[in-house]
Amino acid sequence: SAVISQKPSRDICQRGTSLTIQCQVDSQVTMMFWYRQQPGQSLTLIATANQGSEATYESGFVIDKFPISRPNLTFSTLTVSNMSPEDSSIYLCSVADRANTGELFFGEGSRLTVL
Amino acid sequence: GENVEQHPSTLSVQEGDSAVIKCTYSDSASNYFPWYKQELGKRPQLIIDIRSNVGEKKDQRIAVTLNKTAKHFSLHITETQPEDSAVYFCAATPSGGSYIPTFGRGTSLIVHP
Repeated sequence: SAVISQKPSRDICQRGTSLTIQCQVDSQVTMMFWYRQQPGQSLTLIATANQGSEATYESGFVIDKFPISRPNLTFSTLTVSNMSPEDSSIYLCSVADRANTGELFFGEGSRLTVL
Repeated sequence: GENVEQHPSTLSVQEGDSAVIKCTYSDSASNYFPWYKQELGKRPQLIIDIRSNVGEKKDQRIAVTLNKTAKHFSLHITETQPEDSAVYFCAATPSGGSYIPTFGRGTSLIVHP
């Protein structure tokens, strides 16, 4: 298993500002992901955070809007840039089980409200 | 890419009844099918999973079945309890080591005491 700490847990932001979410894992993991969960919706993959290289973004998500850092195998950040009310959502950090079972472990999420 | 359909979107049952949630997938290369439970305000957590070489798996009151030919899998919860109330997500994961699942849209299960 993996213990994931994510912060902030929630924030209220002004339109046009940027916010960085941090994700810390208690052990080294290869695969780390960032998801978005809009109210009452499913889990949408934003990108895979790659250690030492640029993140791999899913269709509909771009680096300028969601820059991601992964400086080592236990830590990653997601920035939501130039926020608008449409960015109000829960952002979840996730890691794949080191035993390669396929299971994902999730952080508690960061609930962002953009006014 | 993979497409996962999940039904129903909402399921309301009386305590003690059974609940069934169904998912279909499109990519025959998918071989790992987890189910996650997300309680209100909490993180999603794996409750049961099944691999493509198995047709059924059971863990106490929950079971999952898989029909590879028809590309559908289902979650069965028996003797439901109020603490089973949550959103349940199915997912299909491809082979090849990427471990990136495609999630269904979720089912909100409400168990009335």
